[in-house]
Amino acid sequence: AQSVTQLGSHVSVSEGALVLLRCNYSSSVPPYLFWYVQYPNQGLQLLLKYTTGATLVKGINGFEAEFKKSETSFHLTKPSAHMSDAAEYFCAVSEAGANSKLTFGKGITLSVRP
Amino acid sequence: NAGVTQTPKFRILKIGQSMTLQCTQDMNHNYMYWYRQDPGMGLKLIYYSVGAGITDKGEVPNGYNVSRSTTEDFPLRLELAAPSQTSVYFCASSYEGGRTEAFFGQGTRLTVV
Repeated sequence: AQSVTQLGSHVSVSEGALVLLRCNYSSSVPPYLFWYVQYPNQGLQLLLKYTTGATLVKGINGFEAEFKKSETSFHLTKPSAHMSDAAEYFCAVSEAGANSKLTFGKGITLSVRP
Repeated sequence: NAGVTQTPKFRILKIGQSMTLQCTQDMNHNYMYWYRQDPGMGLKLIYYSVGAGITDKGEVPNGYNVSRSTTEDFPLRLELAAPSQTSVYFCASSYEGGRTEAFFGQGTRLTVV
């Protein structure tokens, strides 16, 4: 069975600082990995995804993530935080089958201090 | 394109009442999902559908029912509402199941009192 671990529930950074949100997964087959963002009172929207190929994936709003199979990780980073990045971030995993479903982590709330 | 549309946005139910959460998508996606989101718990899958006429249980189906008579619509029915069903409910759709991006509605905030 697939699962996602996002350690910690809240990360706080200063504006302009590095953002690092951690995600570890478990999957019995090569996974598809996703990061979604949720702004207050809104639905989730896709930040980026890894399916196959290049292990460093670039997404919207300057975010990127690196798939590391040996560490079963897919950490999300952004070199310089902006106030507008304050939101909840979810890592998700699915397997490659035809009727595969997403399994979400518990989410991490990112706060950005002026 | 409207994407995924959910109604209502907010609802307060009394214990024992029933209601239907509506979800419709205009992207011609075969795959549709219902999730509930509780604070600190992430999203839990309630039910999903891989096409019209086909539905299956997710991780937390008890107390809910779904139907999928058309590609566009995937309503979620709550029978005999309980306080444990107080949550935010999201409908989503995707083109090829978990392999492709899921598009989410804006959510329905339900309180059962």
